[in-house]
Amino acid sequence: AQSVTQLDSQVPVFEEAPVELRCNYSSSVSVYLFWYVQYPNQGLQLLLKYLSGSTLVESINGFEAEFNKSQTSFHLRKPSVHISDTAEYFCAVQFEGSQGNLIFGKGTKLSVKP
Amino acid sequence: NAGVTQTPKFRVLKTGQSMTLLCAQDMNHEYMYWYRQDPGMGLRLIHYSVGEGTTAKGEVPDGYNVSRLKKQNFLLGLESAAPSQTSVYFCASSYPPDTEAFFGQGTRLTVV
Repeated sequence: AQSVTQLDSQVPVFEEAPVELRCNYSSSVSVYLFWYVQYPNQGLQLLLKYLSGSTLVESINGFEAEFNKSQTSFHLRKPSVHISDTAEYFCAVQFEGSQGNLIFGKGTKLSVKP
Repeated sequence: NAGVTQTPKFRVLKTGQSMTLLCAQDMNHEYMYWYRQDPGMGLRLIHYSVGEGTTAKGEVPDGYNVSRLKKQNFLLGLESAAPSQTSVYFCASSYPPDTEAFFGQGTRLTVV
């Protein structure tokens, strides 16, 4: 069965500390991988995506994620977080042949403390 | 260029009432989707459309109907609202399907 698992529902971290939000998926077909961010009372915004090519992808605000096919993972990392990074982060996977449908993880709430 | 626009943004319904949520996109996308977001559940696909005049069921379609009469609009209907349909509803669009989906700002629906 195709599924997406975000292992941590909440991640508290101090400002300027590094953070890793974990995402694993289960699939027997090819995948496209996404991280979306949702700030309080807002919609979802794309943070970064892996469609093909380099397995390391980066966002404009310092986040990066690496596609690891052997471990079926797409973990999100940032070396130094800011208060403004406080949000909920969703990993989403599009499985080959799914007509664009996204399967979302349950989300990880990142709370950055001063 | 507004992207994906959802109306209304908030709504309170009584059990048994009906309503329609409207999603409009101005990006000429072929594919459109309706998701619901519940605490601790992530987003789950209700229905989707791969083009004008087409619709298909997603993961949680029961209690909802959809229509895609025009390419730019995707309507989600609740014929007889139930408290279990209290949720935040998101519309999204994409083209082609293997690129990112663009999301609306959401509709917060409460059924009492």
